[in-house]
Order: sequence, then C-alpha cells, then structure tokens
Amino acid sequence: DSGVTQTPKHLITATGQRVTLRCSPRSGDLSVYWYQQSLDQGLQFLIQYYNGEERAKGNILERFSAQQFPDLHSELNLSSLELGDSALYFCASSVDRMDIQYFGAGTRLSVL
Amino acid sequence: GDSVTQMEGPVTLSEEAFLTINCTYTATGYPSLFWYVQYPGEGLQLLLKATKADDKGSNKGFEATYRKETTSFHLEKGSVQVSDSAVYFCALSDLHQGAQKLVFGQGTRLTINP
Repeated sequence: DSGVTQTPKHLITATGQRVTLRCSPRSGDLSVYWYQQSLDQGLQFLIQYYNGEERAKGNILERFSAQQFPDLHSELNLSSLELGDSALYFCASSVDRMDIQYFGAGTRLSVL
Repeated sequence: GDSVTQMEGPVTLSEEAFLTINCTYTATGYPSLFWYVQYPGEGLQLLLKATKADDKGSNKGFEATYRKETTSFHLEKGSVQVSDSAVYFCALSDLHQGAQKLVFGQGTRLTINP
C-alpha cells in the first residue's frame, strides 16, 4: 500500500458528461501529480500541484482541470467527456517537488 | 523533449530464467532514472532508481545501472519467479520549471511460466 488513496476505483459514464476524480496523498506529502494511462498514448503526465499551487502542466486537455485543496487532497475534473478519454487515471504524491513519486491504485474511467 | 524507449513486449520466460528488459533514454540534462512495476489491478510501485551516472539501483533481486555513455538503464534479474509477472516501466525525471514530472516508456509486459 503506497498510502495514496484514489476514489472511485471505477467510473462509467456517457459522452458529454462531467466527472471528478479524487486523490488523497500520503501523509506529509505536499506535491500531487496526475497521470493518464491509455492503450494508445501510454502513461502521460497531466499536471502537478505543490502545496495548493499548480507547478507543472503536461499534455492536459483544456476540458480537464485540477486543483489541490488546503488539506492537500486533489481533484481532477474531466468535462465534455469523449470516448477517447476512457483510460486509467493515476495520482501520485511526493514529499516535495523533486522527490520520489508514490502512486495510487488509479481510477478506471469508461466513457460509453 | 525527453523520451524513454523500452524493448517491445510481451516477454515470456520460464521460472529461474535470466531477465533483461532494455531501456534507453533521450534527455537534455542529467535526469534520475527509475524502474516502476505494475502488478495486475494495482498502481505503479517504485522498483529501483539511480540518480547519477554509474549508479546501480537494486531491489528484490532486480538491478539496473545508469549508463550515461550509452544512455541506457537496462533492468536485469538473475533468476525470475512467477510472482515477477507484471508490467515494467522505465522512466526518467524531467525537471520542468523547477518541478519534476516523470516521462515513462511504453511498458513491457513480463509473464513468467512455472
């Protein structure tokens, strides 16, 4: 158990809908990262937050957004969902911006 | 940008066989290198890491050496077990505007038969 908690484990929704994925980092970790794992794109970095502030952006679509709250948990919001958004979404956390990242078990999103 | 290339899978071996999974990278700076493992239905777990040239990371019988001259970080294990069946990801840390992100290879699925 990495100590990183992601909910829900599975999410099934329809095209055009909006969903929110939640991540609770390891106790004491200030940095949260989001990654997308899909069959065609592999594992791709989406976005990083550190102590509530956005620090780095990767291949994140404009339809996607994230935030990190004062209690350090993070949410990834996906809107106007398309079939191609079906993927496994991982959250990772680290003590600071440069440390080893520990991954949660992921949220599997299926867009039908 | 930075990138990681892993050997194509899937790889199927018999128990107690020798394992090598090749990984090469392209980076402008001096990244840290990692191997992560993903067991079925689980998230990624850090297997080992190396932070500078000639460093050797090791864990659970797995080893990898950071080779700057060949830009490689090949994963090896002398005698694999059925429990090693998983997907293995090579990754590098890309420092971007003072923040770290991981760049992953495409993953190599390993199956060990008894």
